[in-house]
Amino acid sequence: GENVEQHPSTLSVQEGDSAVIKCTYSDSASNYFPWYKQELGKRPQLIIDIRSNVGEKKDQRIAVTLNKTAKHFSLHITETQPEDSAVYFCAAYTNAGKSTFGDGTTLTVKP
Amino acid sequence: GAVVSQHPSRVICKSGTSVKIECRSLDFQATTMFWYRQFPKKSLMLMATSNEGSKATYEQGVEKDKFLINHASLTLSTLTVTSAHPEDSSFYICSARRGALSNQPQHFGDGTRLSIL
Repeated sequence: GENVEQHPSTLSVQEGDSAVIKCTYSDSASNYFPWYKQELGKRPQLIIDIRSNVGEKKDQRIAVTLNKTAKHFSLHITETQPEDSAVYFCAAYTNAGKSTFGDGTTLTVKP
Repeated sequence: GAVVSQHPSRVICKSGTSVKIECRSLDFQATTMFWYRQFPKKSLMLMATSNEGSKATYEQGVEKDKFLINHASLTLSTLTVTSAHPEDSSFYICSARRGALSNQPQHFGDGTRLSIL
């Protein structure tokens, strides 16, 4: 089955710096890669996603890149703010709709 | 749009009790809903995929007789934890996919924190 590895598990940055979180997947049939942000005790919220026919997608301070050949995708957050502090999860979905989540990255943005 | 409502938000009950959790898509129809379990500071573990009008598909290691899933309508899926024990205590989250295609976003409910005494 699919295996998704996410790194780093914790990330601490200074306000205004950039943050990068990387995920690798094993199943070449995976074709949809969303990123979720989860604050403590709350629901995961979709922040950005990318499909396998696209290499990069950007939404204001957030961007995602996908390298299908290498089977990895990354989340980039620029100009980080304290409210960006949360746990971020990547996920990979196959055509059958089955999802596998990464283990999460705890991002701390220091003011 | 794409609101998913999950109830109850918290349940505390005695060992041996059965607990039902509801997941509703409020403003869209969801042919497919998903049930996850999340341990503290851990990732989301997919338990089962719930398909409207048919049997749920359970992930390996998840007991179907323990975690009963019903998806009787396009807006409601329920998870019943039968004869719950302390080891079933966890955070359970449902999600719903808006479209039929697998590469559509999932929208999560607020989760249910289940505590079995």
